[in-house]
Amino acid sequence: KAGVTQTPRYLIKTRGQQVTLSCSPISGHRSVSWYQQTPGQGLQFLFEYFSETQRNKGNFPGRFSGRQFSNSRSEMNVSTLELGDSALYLCASSSTGRVNTGELFFGEGSRLTVL
Amino acid sequence: DAKTTQPPSMDCAEGRAANLPCNHSTISGNEYVYWYRQIHSQGPQYIIHGLKNNETNEMASLIITEDRKSSTLILPHATLRDTAVYYCIAQNNNAGNMLTFGGGTRLMVKP
Repeated sequence: KAGVTQTPRYLIKTRGQQVTLSCSPISGHRSVSWYQQTPGQGLQFLFEYFSETQRNKGNFPGRFSGRQFSNSRSEMNVSTLELGDSALYLCASSSTGRVNTGELFFGEGSRLTVL
Repeated sequence: DAKTTQPPSMDCAEGRAANLPCNHSTISGNEYVYWYRQIHSQGPQYIIHGLKNNETNEMASLIITEDRKSSTLILPHATLRDTAVYYCIAQNNNAGNMLTFGGGTRLMVKP
């Protein structure tokens, strides 16, 4: 069974540009959540989608957005990139609607560098 | 969500049991305790979770004190591959699939 796939794995952008990251969850999983990991702030929750609906949103500016498609694949977008957006962006999928009823499976992440 | 406190780092000898403590003194009755770990350059990996009873699976055991104010994750026979950052999270199940990660404990398993 294939795991969570994130693309691209690495990318470099410059300030002011925008970026789109993609996540393909494990087959059959309807929940996809996104996290940002930086050395200073650690792992921070961005948002979660379940059956194409955003259920939870972390404390990030509106430049960060996401969506989920009918096949459960998800994308997140960051517009007007800032140097501080340099981070590892992790996607996690789950087969259940609540974290206590099923584990989160994380991908290996997309490492974004903003110059 | 209850705040958790973990030691920033720990060492363990290979083959010995690794006991990772977590304090969650403000935990409420509907909050579960979750453990995830992150091996360098990989995404976090689920280990175990529980509400109030002790739990065991093929990876580890979770011991929760009777007052639920603290817990211990036990890796019975640590290997070098268990070197990772271990995160203890205490939160309720109303948050969907959102987890609030803290700083974690960096476990170094030494030969």
